[in-house]
Amino acid sequence: GAVVSQHPSWVICKSGTSVKIECRSLDFQATTMFWYRQFPKQSLMLMATSNEGSKATYEQGVEKDKFLINHASLTLSTLTVTSAHPEDSSFYICSASRPLGSGRAFSTDTQYFGPGTRLTVL
Amino acid sequence: DAKTTQPPSMDCAEGRAANLPCNHSTISGNEYVYWYRQIHSQGPQYIIHGLKNNETNEMASLIITEDRKSSTLILPHATLRDTAVYYCIAYNSGGSNYKLTFGKGTLLTVNP
Repeated sequence: GAVVSQHPSWVICKSGTSVKIECRSLDFQATTMFWYRQFPKQSLMLMATSNEGSKATYEQGVEKDKFLINHASLTLSTLTVTSAHPEDSSFYICSASRPLGSGRAFSTDTQYFGPGTRLTVL
Repeated sequence: DAKTTQPPSMDCAEGRAANLPCNHSTISGNEYVYWYRQIHSQGPQYIIHGLKNNETNEMASLIITEDRKSSTLILPHATLRDTAVYYCIAYNSGGSNYKLTFGKGTLLTVNP
C-alpha cells in the first residue's frame, strides 16, 4: 500500500510553454499533498503544500502565479509550470500524506513520494 | 526545528549489516524520527519511523536511544540495490515542525 504515481516521468518543452504534472495517490486518500523540487546534486526543497479543495500554501520564494497547484480530489493534485524557462528545468517530486491511524499517544501523517518528473526546458 | 546530523558518506560490504547513525539532540517530545532513502533519479522512498521504541519492518530496523538524542538505521543484509542517499528527519505533521526538511543525508555505497 501507499503508492504514489506521477505523470509524466519526464518532459521536454520549449521556453514559454506551460507544463502540467499530475500526482496521484493510488491506494489511499491523501489528507495533504506536497510538491518538491530538486536541482542536481542538491536536496529536495519544498515548494508548496496543498489540501483538497483549498488554495495551496507556497514556500517563501516560490511564485504562486508561476507554479499553479490544483488539488481537485483526495487522490489527485496537479502542478502547472506556466511560461517555463530554462531555469525551471529540474526534478519535480510530489508526495501524499497518509494518516498514521488511531490508537497512538502521538500521531503523525507519513508522506509517501512519487517517482518524480524530470522537466527540461529548452 | 529539530535538526539532524548525519555522516556524509558510508561504505558497506554486500551481505553485511549497514548501520547508519543520526544525531537529533534537539528533537522535541512529539517529533518522530523518520528515515527515507533516495536512489539516484528517483523519488524518496519511505523506510521506517519511530517515536521512542525500537521499530522493525521488512526493510530495516530503527534503534532510538533512550534519551532520543540519536538513532541508528540498520539494514540487516545490505545489497547493491541499497546504494542510495539516506535521510534522517525529525518530523511531526501536527507539530511546529510540520514540514519534511531534507538535509544532505548519508550516501551509502554498498560494495560487492
